[in-house]
Amino acid sequence: DIQMTQSPSSLSASVGDRVTITCRASQNIITYLNWYQQRPGKAPKLLIYAASSLQTGVPSRFSGSVSGTDFTLTINSLQPEDFATYHCQQSYKSPRTFGQGTKVE
Amino acid sequence: QVQLVQSGAEVKKPGASVKVSCKAAGYSFTSYYIHWVRQAPGQGLEWMGVLNPRGSTTNYAPRFQGRVTLTSDTSTSTVYMELSSLTSEDTAIYFCARETTDSCFDSWGQGTLVTVSS
Repeated sequence: DIQMTQSPSSLSASVGDRVTITCRASQNIITYLNWYQQRPGKAPKLLIYAASSLQTGVPSRFSGSVSGTDFTLTINSLQPEDFATYHCQQSYKSPRTFGQGTKVE
Repeated sequence: QVQLVQSGAEVKKPGASVKVSCKAAGYSFTSYYIHWVRQAPGQGLEWMGVLNPRGSTTNYAPRFQGRVTLTSDTSTSTVYMELSSLTSEDTAIYFCARETTDSCFDSWGQGTLVTVSS
């Protein structure tokens, strides 16, 4: 299985901050990496697909990038509604593994 | 609009089976794969398996192989996830999700809480 190592597991931030979350794949997954946001008690919501493509309707303060097997989700100017848990997921091959999640609080 | 609506919460005893449904609406049912993902209390997301509604082919995560069965009913645009031999470790919220051609999950069901308790 492809292991996805996500860091940090949690972070403390304030409104207006720039936040960076990283996900490292255990093998080459090209750009088959997606990012989801999950608010408490809700289903995950797709933010970024194919490493850097912004899902329709997602604010442009969210962005994704890749360098080798390291993937980064950046939130510029954190907003109150962005306090949530973020998950990465590889879609290169089955099983479609997720990272452990990062809680932004 | 695209909607995935799941069945309600379940309480099961250890050793029993549970069957959760996921009814799709707002798109061509046979054109998109449906995945199942679960989340134990306070834990991350865990992928369980996928079903192709066109042909009903399936692929399961190795750790659930032999214990999970995905089926579909094209007449009602519904996918079913059945998990057998339940233990307390199967207590979780179970989500269905639609996969797009970009290999991501763009729509999710609301989740179904399955509680396994004696």
